[in-house]
Amino acid sequence: SQKIEQNSEALNIQEGKTATLTCNYTNYSPAYLQWYRQDPGRGPVFLLLIRENEKEKRKERLKVTFDTTLKQSLFHITASQPADSATYLCASPFDSGYSTLTFGKGTMLLVSP
Amino acid sequence: EADIYQTPRYLVIGTGKKITLECSQTMGHDKMYWYQQDPGMELHLIHYSYGVNSTEKGDLSSESTVSRIRTEHFPLTLESARPSHTSQYLCASSDFTGSNTEAFFGQGTRLTVV
Repeated sequence: SQKIEQNSEALNIQEGKTATLTCNYTNYSPAYLQWYRQDPGRGPVFLLLIRENEKEKRKERLKVTFDTTLKQSLFHITASQPADSATYLCASPFDSGYSTLTFGKGTMLLVSP
Repeated sequence: EADIYQTPRYLVIGTGKKITLECSQTMGHDKMYWYQQDPGMELHLIHYSYGVNSTEKGDLSSESTVSRIRTEHFPLTLESARPSHTSQYLCASSDFTGSNTEAFFGQGTRLTVV
């Protein structure tokens, strides 16, 4: 069955370092992947989208890569700050009409001062 | 800030009560969704709509029902609440046209059934 998987263990890093989060998918070929940020008790907020024909996308301190051979997307936050602490979700449409998004469980990022 | 609103933010209700969770968006999006999320777990799609008078069930079986009489409004109803319905309910919308595929989420309703 189609799956989208993220490392369920929290990632702890020090302020100023680069955080790298992983999203793996199996048994399908997504047309695109999206990354969202979710703070406790709140709805997810869209960050970046990367399409299957794009290797890399950047937005300020954020960078996303898409490797269709490895079936993996990496999400990087450079010069991380305590305010970046949150859960980061990977999402993709499973259906051929791209009408609904399926989300991974998310990875919690904790940035310590 | 996304223009999608959910009310109430928190609700504690007794078993057997009928409840309606409200969701409204002012972005004119055709597509709207309801997700259910337990603490530390992934979002599960329970209902979605392509537009007015369209409703579909999602991947997760749910005892709730939805309606879409107006573009901006997508309420979710539980006819008889049970403790197993305790969860966070998130409403989202998107237009999914061209390159605009991002989903905008409301703040969520945290439901506790006692």
